[in-house]
Amino acid sequence: DSGVTQTPKHLITATGQRVTLRCSPRSGDLSVYWYQQSLDQGLQFLIHYYNGEERAKGNILERFSAQQFPDLHSELNLSSLELGDSALYFCASSASFPADTQYFGPGTRLTVL
Amino acid sequence: AQSVTQLGSHVSVSEGALVLLRCNYSSSVPPYLFWYVQYPNQGLQLLLKYTTGATLVKGINGFEAEFKKSETSFHLTKPSAHMSDAAEYFCAVSPLPDKLIFGTGTRLQVFP
Repeated sequence: DSGVTQTPKHLITATGQRVTLRCSPRSGDLSVYWYQQSLDQGLQFLIHYYNGEERAKGNILERFSAQQFPDLHSELNLSSLELGDSALYFCASSASFPADTQYFGPGTRLTVL
Repeated sequence: AQSVTQLGSHVSVSEGALVLLRCNYSSSVPPYLFWYVQYPNQGLQLLLKYTTGATLVKGINGFEAEFKKSETSFHLTKPSAHMSDAAEYFCAVSPLPDKLIFGTGTRLQVFP
């Protein structure tokens, strides 16, 4: 158990819908990272937040957004969902910035029908 | 741009045999290097990491990796495979402390 929690574990929704994925980092960790794992794209970095501020963006679509709240939990919002958005979404956290070790949550499996 | 190449999407070994999973990186600056393991239906677990210092890094579950700057490699090895090692293994580079760049993964199968 990494100490990073993600909810829900599974999410099934329809095209065009909007969903919110939630992540609670390890106790004391200030950094939260989001990754997408899909069969065709592999593991891709989406976005990094540190203590409530966005620090880096990767291959994140404009339909996707994230935020980190004062209690340090983070949410990833996915809107106007398409079939190709079906994937595993992982959250990771690390203690500080700059940091070198990210601890991953169990992931949320999103299925878009 | 930084990148990671994992040679071999599938590797099969017999129980007790040497495990060798290959990783080459491309980075214009000294990177941090990682190996993560993913068991079915689970998240990623850190096996080991290289930041600075000793180039031979020991990790959990008997795995180790050697950072070879001249070869831009960070191959993962284990002297004797166990059935429980069957999983997918990812090499990753972190050229900056804000993201991990992953390779495409290597699925390890262990046969009795």
